[in-house]
Amino acid sequence: QLQLQESGPGLVRPSETLSLTCAVSGASISGSNFYWGWLRQPPGKGLDWIGNIYYSGGTYYNPSLKSRVTISVDTSMNHISLRLSSVTAADAAVYFCARTYSSSSRDPYFYWGQGTLVTVSS
Amino acid sequence: SYELTQPLSVSVALGQTARMSCGGNTIGTKNVHWYQKKPGQAPVLVISRDSNRPSGIPERFSGSNSGNTATLTISSAQAGDEADYYCQVWDSSTVVFGGGTKLTVL
Repeated sequence: QLQLQESGPGLVRPSETLSLTCAVSGASISGSNFYWGWLRQPPGKGLDWIGNIYYSGGTYYNPSLKSRVTISVDTSMNHISLRLSSVTAADAAVYFCARTYSSSSRDPYFYWGQGTLVTVSS
Repeated sequence: SYELTQPLSVSVALGQTARMSCGGNTIGTKNVHWYQKKPGQAPVLVISRDSNRPSGIPERFSGSNSGNTATLTISSAQAGDEADYYCQVWDSSTVVFGGGTKLTVL
């Protein structure tokens, strides 16, 4: 059974770079043609899409975050990574990684990690 | 950029039918997905591609999509259905979410 587990620092200082990892177990990223996504939910707000990466490395990003975001895949470690630079208080959120239902970018996310809380504070 | 509009809140009496809308320009031409989100939990996909229920989702959940409005319907609403519900589409190579609707079961 596919499982996703986010990890990373729970506290990031303003202007620094947020780095998170999503460990994938139960399946190999390289052996499956799916999209992997990063999403977030700020406290008291709705779901916000950060970006997607295809198993082969192609990416799509939220235009509002594109200049600060890098999503990458490490098939040797079987994980997905997120880097968000120049963070501000507005980037504080629960961050989720997720995988699409099938191989189309139009498909929804079916598998989700449990989320990891990131606070931005000096 | 494409926008999806959802009512902030919907209330339904226990055992009755709840309907939640998701508005967008010609949304009927897109595939709409619906997620249930409870506090402290990951989102759960309840409807995919307008009207398809993933395995494990009760038949009480159904969806439709036409024109400028997609609708999630929950029949015989139960206390456990109380949650935030989000619609989502793929548009211009981006994932777009609605602002979410809080469903209260009275």
